[in-house]
This record gives sequence, C-alpha cells and structure tokens, in this order.
Amino acid sequence: GNSVTQMEGPVTLSEEAFLTINCTYTATGYPSLFWYVQYPGEGLQLLLKATKADDKGSNKGFEATYRKETTSFHLEKGSVQVSDSAVYFCALSDTGIFFQGAQKLVFGQGTRLTINP
Amino acid sequence: KAGVTQTPRYLIKTRGQQVTLSCSPISGHRSVSWYQQTPGQGLQFLFEYFSETQRNKGNFPGRFSGRQFSNSRSEMNVSTLELGDSALYLCASSEGQRTDTQYFGPGTRLTVL
Repeated sequence: GNSVTQMEGPVTLSEEAFLTINCTYTATGYPSLFWYVQYPGEGLQLLLKATKADDKGSNKGFEATYRKETTSFHLEKGSVQVSDSAVYFCALSDTGIFFQGAQKLVFGQGTRLTINP
Repeated sequence: KAGVTQTPRYLIKTRGQQVTLSCSPISGHRSVSWYQQTPGQGLQFLFEYFSETQRNKGNFPGRFSGRQFSNSRSEMNVSTLELGDSALYLCASSEGQRTDTQYFGPGTRLTVL
C-alpha cells in the first residue's frame, strides 16, 4: 500500500539555521502531497501542498517540491525561528479504489523540530 | 469562516464503556474524515464520510463506527472501550474532491482507564 517515510527526529537547530526535513513516499497513481504542522495541544494545520509532479508548495517561508522521479517532497526553510518549533508531518492523499474523489491521508511518523534562540 | 470544531475536547472513560465524539465541519464542506493519533502508531485513518455515505474505511475493528448527518456534522462512536483506545481523535473536513485540502479540528483527547 501507499506509505510515507520521514527523517527521524527530533531535530534541534539554532535560530536562523537552514532547515531540511526529508520525506519520501511510495504510491500508485498520482497522489497529492502535503506538509502539516502540529503545535503542542493543537490539531494539524496545513503548511503547504502540491498536487502534481514538479509543483512547488510554499507558505510562511517553507517550501517543498513534488519530485516524482525521486518520490520525494522534502521540506525546506532558509532561516528558522523559535516559533517554528513544532511537529511536522508529511502526508499523501490516497484515493479510494472504488469511489472517485474519496480521500484518505497517509501520514509519515512526524518529525519534532526544536529551535533554540 | 469558522473552523472545524470538535466536542468534547477531553474525555475520560473506563474500560468497557462506549463513547461518542462529535465534529462540525467548515461551512460548505461535505466530506468529514476521522483519524486516530497515538504515540506508538502515529496518525491513522479511521473513515471518511461524504454526503452521509461512508466512502472509505481504515483498518480498525468494528467497535469503531461513525455517521454523518444531512448538515454534514459527523459523529464517531467507540463501543466496549479498551485501554489502547486512549488517543487524540482528529476530525478533518474538506469539499470532498481528491486534491482538496483537509482542514483539521483541535481534536478530542480520550483517556481510557
């Protein structure tokens, strides 16, 4: 079945450092890819998404490019802030077999990011 | 627009009891999905409803069930609770097409004693 693999955390960086969180996927068909972020005690917030190969999603300084040839969707940010400390989840949308448009998100295990001032 | 709301936010039950969780989607959204989040298993898909019909189901026992009402609000029910059902249950809504974004609520934290 479809699956997502993220780099293991936790990841600890200093403020203004460059961030990369690796994400690779296994999927049949053409899934959409997402990065969600979860702050302590909260649900998931969409950070960015890409719906087809070579699409680049971006938001709040974060970027990720849908690479079909390497089945990857790595998250990057040029200069992280303390407020970026959270858990980051890579996910793909896995459509149902029998129903057009049916949705199911398959998540990676999450990467906990801590940014020190 | 108001976001996805879930009630209650916290719940404590004992083994063998049953529980019902509620989710109100973003206005206009017809798809509601449920996920279970635990430290050991991560985020796992439970089921998805669209216009009152279950369209997709994850690999959970029959003790986990759900339904959707005509106003798109959804409930999930867990019967005969087990200790392992302790988790954060997240609800997400979307317009229902394959490429649509799912927007998540804050979750219901269920503790089974």
